[in-house]
Amino acid sequence: QKEVEQDPGPLSVPEGAIVSLNCTYSNSAFQYFMWYRQYSRKGPELLMYTYSSGNKEDGRFTAQVDKSSKYISLFIRDSQPSDSATYLCAMSSNYGGATNKLIFGTGTLLAVQP
Amino acid sequence: NAGVTQTPKFQVLKTGQSMTLQCAQDMNHEYMSWYRQDPGMGLRLIHYSVGAGITDQGEVPNGYNVSRSTTEDFPLRLLSAAPSQTSVYFCATTVLGGTEAFFGQGTRLTVV
Repeated sequence: QKEVEQDPGPLSVPEGAIVSLNCTYSNSAFQYFMWYRQYSRKGPELLMYTYSSGNKEDGRFTAQVDKSSKYISLFIRDSQPSDSATYLCAMSSNYGGATNKLIFGTGTLLAVQP
Repeated sequence: NAGVTQTPKFQVLKTGQSMTLQCAQDMNHEYMSWYRQDPGMGLRLIHYSVGAGITDQGEVPNGYNVSRSTTEDFPLRLLSAAPSQTSVYFCATTVLGGTEAFFGQGTRLTVV
């Protein structure tokens, strides 16, 4: 079993829809939770970062972490065609200085149709 | 300020050939890492370094070597290329103890 599981999609939604992307994980030591966005043929870029449990909002994006269920989510409101990309969840722990060692999900390919 | 620069962007190798993928950063980050990205597998860590002179293995290190002689450069060497090493390779840098990774544009490698 992988440490981080993510539905690869693809996910196709109409413009303006609310998008929900999710990851589950098995390592209870994970404390840092991130969402990266990767456009086609580009490197990933950090989109959202959350430490431990809770919610974080940034414009149209909301990240949620539920450590009791080992489940994280990214919500995109009023989705735009420019949001079409692959979204990767990533996690790390601070056990043994492993903060920098990110474990990635497989990524979910999102297409927002105009 | 270029950030993280990877060269080459594309490469085709024959089985058994060796090559070096270059990664250079001007962000003065201590932590550098190499990932490979394959369909359905996500990003998998190959090797990483916490500073000049210090390297360690990640999840999939077999067939690859690294060295870190300076803060800025972290080359990845393929010793004897195999078709299983066909992939997109990404170099990333992070502040030591931080979690925001800055990625290069990637190197698309095909081994025939």
